[in-house]
Formats: sequence, C-alpha cells, structure tokens
Amino acid sequence: DVKVTQSSRYLVKRTGEKVFLECVQDMDHENMFWYRQDPGLGLRLIYFSYDVKMKEKGDIPEGYSVSREKKERFSLILESASTNQTSMYLCASSLSGQGSDSPLHFGNGTRLTVT
Amino acid sequence: AQSVAQPEDQVNVAEGNPLTVKCTYSVSGNPYLFWYVQYPNRGLQFLLKYITGDNLVKGSYGFEAEFNKSQTSFHLKKPSALVSDSALYFCAVTLWGGSYIPTFGRGTSLIVHP
Repeated sequence: DVKVTQSSRYLVKRTGEKVFLECVQDMDHENMFWYRQDPGLGLRLIYFSYDVKMKEKGDIPEGYSVSREKKERFSLILESASTNQTSMYLCASSLSGQGSDSPLHFGNGTRLTVT
Repeated sequence: AQSVAQPEDQVNVAEGNPLTVKCTYSVSGNPYLFWYVQYPNRGLQFLLKYITGDNLVKGSYGFEAEFNKSQTSFHLKKPSALVSDSALYFCAVTLWGGSYIPTFGRGTSLIVHP
C-alpha cells in the first residue's frame, strides 16, 4: 500500500512565523501535490510537482512556496503565516506513468492554526 | 475547462437502505472519473474509478458507481448503507490524454442514521 506521511497532525503557529509542512511518500511516485481544505470550499490546489526540483503553481499559490529536493519528499512553506492560512493541509502523490487515470494517494492531513 | 458538480451538500439515509451520492461532470473529451471518501480528521481515500468499458464500476467497501455518458453523470451507490459509511465523499475528473491533475467536486456529506 502506498503510504503518504505528513509530519504533523496538528500545528499551532503565530502570525508572521515561517512554517514548514513536510510530506513523504514511499512508493516512488513522480507527482506530488499540496491542497488546502476549507469548509464549503472543497479542495484547492496550492502547488504540485511532477519531478524532483520541478514545481508548478496551482490555483492558490499566494503566500506559499514549495521544495522538492528528493523524489519522496515535498515540503510546503508558509513564508510568513497569517490567520487566513488557518486550514487543513493535505498532501497527495500519484504515478505519472499511467497518465491521467492514476488516482491520488493522500496523507492524513495537517490541521494548522495561525493565531 | 473541466468541472465537477455534486449537487447535494448532505445526504441522509437510514442504515440498511440503499444510498446514492450524485456527481455530474463537464469535460471537453472523454473523462476518467474517480470517487474518494474522507473520514473525520483523515485524508481522502480512493474508492473507485471509471476509465473505459463497463459502465458499472465496483470499488472498495461495497460501493459502486454508474457512468452515464449521455447524462454526464457518475453517481456513487451502495445497496445497503452502514452507519460506518458516514463520511465526506468527493467526485473527481481528469481527461484522457490530458493533465493528471484532477478537478474535484466540493464534496457531499453522507450521514447514515441507525
């Protein structure tokens, strides 16, 4: 089974702090994603990566950056946390070899609260 | 552009009754369609997908989904609901030969009453 592990289940940070959310997958997947989930808004794509050191902006990249130095690890960075970034953050991965029919495998999420 | 609509924010069903969670989609071409389930305080789990072939797709936990091309729908079904099926359900679509990034619906909360 694919395992996608997010390093923290719950985080509480202060406004202005730099925040790192870490995600590791163990199935050699090429594609990795960061989403945020908010009530009534569903899933919104922040960034994705299709290869090491490659990254593409999703629908809501403002205020975020990412890093993918190794294939298995995809980090989301909040450069200066703000209260409107309080949310559930979900990491996911997928194979690229099967094309667009490959399902996403999600981690259990990190619930971030910025005070 | 592709889109997914889940017209019901919430579906209520009694345990033992059949359940349906609705999904309609819009794509320019042939779709790949997916259902995911999210239990409280967890990430999404893949349930099933439609690629091609038989319009009735069977997945995990006794769920199935019916692809209807003329109605552009992909409704999730289960013959007999369990209280443990209560969760948030997401429909998603990608396009044959297109981007591997799915478009998700906003989710439907399924509540199964004892």
